[in-house]
Amino acid sequence: GESVGLHLPTLSVQEGDNSIINCAYSNSASDYFIWYKQESGKGPQFIIDIRSNMDKRQGQRVTVLLNKTVKHLSLQIAATQPGDSAVYFCALFSNTGKLIFGQGTTLQVKP
Amino acid sequence: SQTIHQWPATLVQPVGSPLSLECTVEGTSNPNLYWYRQAAGRGLQLLFYSVGIGQISSEVPQNLSASRPQDRQFILSSKKLLLSDSGFYLCAWKGPGTVNEKLFFGSGTQLSVL
Repeated sequence: GESVGLHLPTLSVQEGDNSIINCAYSNSASDYFIWYKQESGKGPQFIIDIRSNMDKRQGQRVTVLLNKTVKHLSLQIAATQPGDSAVYFCALFSNTGKLIFGQGTTLQVKP
Repeated sequence: SQTIHQWPATLVQPVGSPLSLECTVEGTSNPNLYWYRQAAGRGLQLLFYSVGIGQISSEVPQNLSASRPQDRQFILSSKKLLLSDSGFYLCAWKGPGTVNEKLFFGSGTQLSVL
């Protein structure tokens, strides 16, 4: 079956630096990818998504990069702020249409 | 605009007691509805999903059940809670008829079974 894995369970960055959170997936047929942010005690919040016909998409301070060749997805956060501290999940749809989540990366922003 | 409501936010229940968590969605019709569980420090596990009233699909065998008595209402239940049912329960929705499209999540219910 499909799997989604994050490379690092925890990432610690200095305020103002850029953050890069990585994700790998196993199903080469996956064509839609989502990044969620989850703050403590809250539900996941949609950040940005990308479809497989693109390799890059930008939002406000966030960029998602998709490398279909190596089945790798990354989320880049520019000028990381204390409010960015949270757990970040990548997610994709399985062949049966279910949204599958990775285990999450905890981003810690140091002042 | 669409909103999703989930309650209660926190629940402490003894082992063997029943459970009922409710989720409602506003501002859309015939949404796809989902129940996820999240163990501490872990990813989200899909428990149930529904594409319409009375239509429930179960993803994993467990002590829980789900029902959809109305178009925009999704209920998670148990007759007798187990310790292992503790976790953070999340309801989510997406638009009808969409295949690969993002889900929107509620604020979650933290369930502690003691």
